[in-house]
Amino acid sequence: ILNVEQSPQSLHVQEGDSTNFTCSFPSSNFYALHWYRWETAKSPEALFVMTLNGDEKKKGRISATLNTKEGYSYLYIKGSQPEDSATYLCALSWGTGKLIFGQGTTLQVKP
Amino acid sequence: NAGVTQTPKFQVLKTGQSMTLQCAQDMNHEYMSWYRQDPGMGLRLIHYSVGAGITDQGEVPNGYNVSRSTTEDFPLRLLSAAPSQTSVYFCASRIPDGSGPNTEAFFGQGTRLTVV
Repeated sequence: ILNVEQSPQSLHVQEGDSTNFTCSFPSSNFYALHWYRWETAKSPEALFVMTLNGDEKKKGRISATLNTKEGYSYLYIKGSQPEDSATYLCALSWGTGKLIFGQGTTLQVKP
Repeated sequence: NAGVTQTPKFQVLKTGQSMTLQCAQDMNHEYMSWYRQDPGMGLRLIHYSVGAGITDQGEVPNGYNVSRSTTEDFPLRLLSAAPSQTSVYFCASRIPDGSGPNTEAFFGQGTRLTVV
């Protein structure tokens, strides 16, 4: 099983700050990299699915990039708001049905 | 569309008891999975299925059984519950990799299980 590593484990920022998290993995031999947003007491919801090296996706103030050659993906949040407070998960799929998650980065945005 | 429906939402079991967590999806997704969520450990894959009649083990399969007799349903069975199985369980479904650009997982609302 590939290890999907996320850093940092937790992050505290002030409202208005921009921030980014990292998802790293040791191999480019996978089908897709997923990002999910998980609010407390709710279920995870998908943000992005990326498959190609150099992929960039954007949804509002949140964007993500994928570098398969160096084994990482970045998630960026521009101008963080308190409602962005959540745990952000990345996951890898291999085309076999398995979807393996990292441990997540928990973001707290202070007003 | 109901999406992914899990029942029950909460359950307390005594050590040694058995139970089945139910999961049903109405999106005709071929892939279905069960995860457990423990503090500081993200989501860990228990078992998964790529279609009716096909299941396989994930990262933490011990103590759990699954079967997939229909596309819609993917129940998770605990044969003899142990305190180590106290956790929040999530079921998820998605379309197969390669069948479209949007292969993201859709999750049920979770089942909080306590084994005493």
